[in-house]
Amino acid sequence: KAGVTQTPRYLIKTRGQQVTLSCSPISGHRSVSWYQQTPGQGLQFLFEYFSETQRNKGNFPGRFSGRQFSNSRSEMNVSTLELGDSALYLCASSLPREGGSSYEQYFGPGTRLTVT
Amino acid sequence: AQSVSQHNHHVILSEAASLELGCNYSYGGTVNLFWYVQYPGQHLQLLLKYFSGDPLVKGIKGFEAEFIKSKFSFNLRKPSVQWSDTAEYFCAVNAPPDYKLSFGAGTTVTVRA
Repeated sequence: KAGVTQTPRYLIKTRGQQVTLSCSPISGHRSVSWYQQTPGQGLQFLFEYFSETQRNKGNFPGRFSGRQFSNSRSEMNVSTLELGDSALYLCASSLPREGGSSYEQYFGPGTRLTVT
Repeated sequence: AQSVSQHNHHVILSEAASLELGCNYSYGGTVNLFWYVQYPGQHLQLLLKYFSGDPLVKGIKGFEAEFIKSKFSFNLRKPSVQWSDTAEYFCAVNAPPDYKLSFGAGTTVTVRA
């Protein structure tokens, strides 16, 4: 079974620009979450999507947004990039959480974003 | 929201030594617990997970973890490490109702041959 894939793997942008990152979950996984990983702040939760709806959101400014398509693929967008947005952005997929249950998340390789 | 503490920032060991990494979380209710590993240049991989049942959980590559509810801890252990265990290890927790996954800061483990 193919794992979580993310594109592009590396990206260099300039301050003020916007960027869109893409994530394809494992087949059959309908929940997709996004994380930001930096040396200073570690791994921080951005948001979770399920059935094309944002189900959870972390403490990030509104410049960070996302969406999910009917095939469960997800994109995240960062507008008006700042130097501090330089990070590894990770996508994770899991089976859909229903009722009181939860499932483990499987991570993709990430997109390394550098803002200059 | 839960917070997760990993006590050791960097651990250096020799091959065949035993490894124990501490993880504590701050949440009094039902939790799900995870250990992930990130090998150099690779993506995060799930080592093991605890949802319920036997508090001693066995994972891949000879790792195990023990959930001690009274201590809010989920420590990771391996009796004999190998050079290939050099990696960064992350403890993570989620809990109802939102099941947002919260990560610890990570522990870098360096195993010397």
